Amino acid sequence: EAQVTQNPRYLITVTGKKLTVTCSQNMNHEYMSWYRQDPGLGLRQIYYSMNVEVTDKGDVPEGYKVSRKEKRNFPLILESPSPNQTSLYFCASSLTGAAGYGYTFGSGTRLTVV
Amino acid sequence: AQSVTQLGSHVSVSEGALVLLRCNYSSSVPPYLFWYVQYPNQGLQLLLKYTSAATLVKGINGFEAEFKKSETSFHLTKPSAHMSDAAEYFCAVTRLDYGGSQGNLIFGKGTKLSVKP
Repeated sequence: EAQVTQNPRYLITVTGKKLTVTCSQNMNHEYMSWYRQDPGLGLRQIYYSMNVEVTDKGDVPEGYKVSRKEKRNFPLILESPSPNQTSLYFCASSLTGAAGYGYTFGSGTRLTVV
Repeated sequence: AQSVTQLGSHVSVSEGALVLLRCNYSSSVPPYLFWYVQYPNQGLQLLLKYTSAATLVKGINGFEAEFKKSETSFHLTKPSAHMSDAAEYFCAVTRLDYGGSQGNLIFGKGTKLSVKP
């Protein structure tokens, strides 16, 4: 089944403890992206990647890192999480970064930083 | 810069009634537009998209949307609401102000649809 898989689905952590949220897609998509969803703010883009070793900042990149060493994987790294990073995170992929292609989304990771 | 405005953060309709969810966009060039649906505790699922072909776009689950350039709108409609349509709906526009990917999407803030029996 074609899908984007995120892990974990739920995570509670403490301020300052490094964490990684994994994202993997099995559709050979070139483009991948991370969004965070907050009530009343919709989805805001954190980082995106056009292809392996090509990443760029979205609208809210502060406090996050990403890497794209393999086409299928696009992990999101929080080096020193803070409470304002408590949010619902979505990974998405698309065939290419060209306009007109829709995204396939993962099921989300609900992160709580205390 | 592109932007998307969804009018009404909450919309409530009765089962069998017309569903109308409003989306207005701003873009200096003809955009690509999308509607996504998010069911509780799930990711977003593509409902339909406009990519400059027909202005009336049909999607899944009986939804459709009409691109109106003169009104800069892309409203989502369904003739008869079903209980299973209760979800949050997001309108999105292709981002064109980035030097890299034109596939980046800007999302509206979402509209929660409630369906009353």
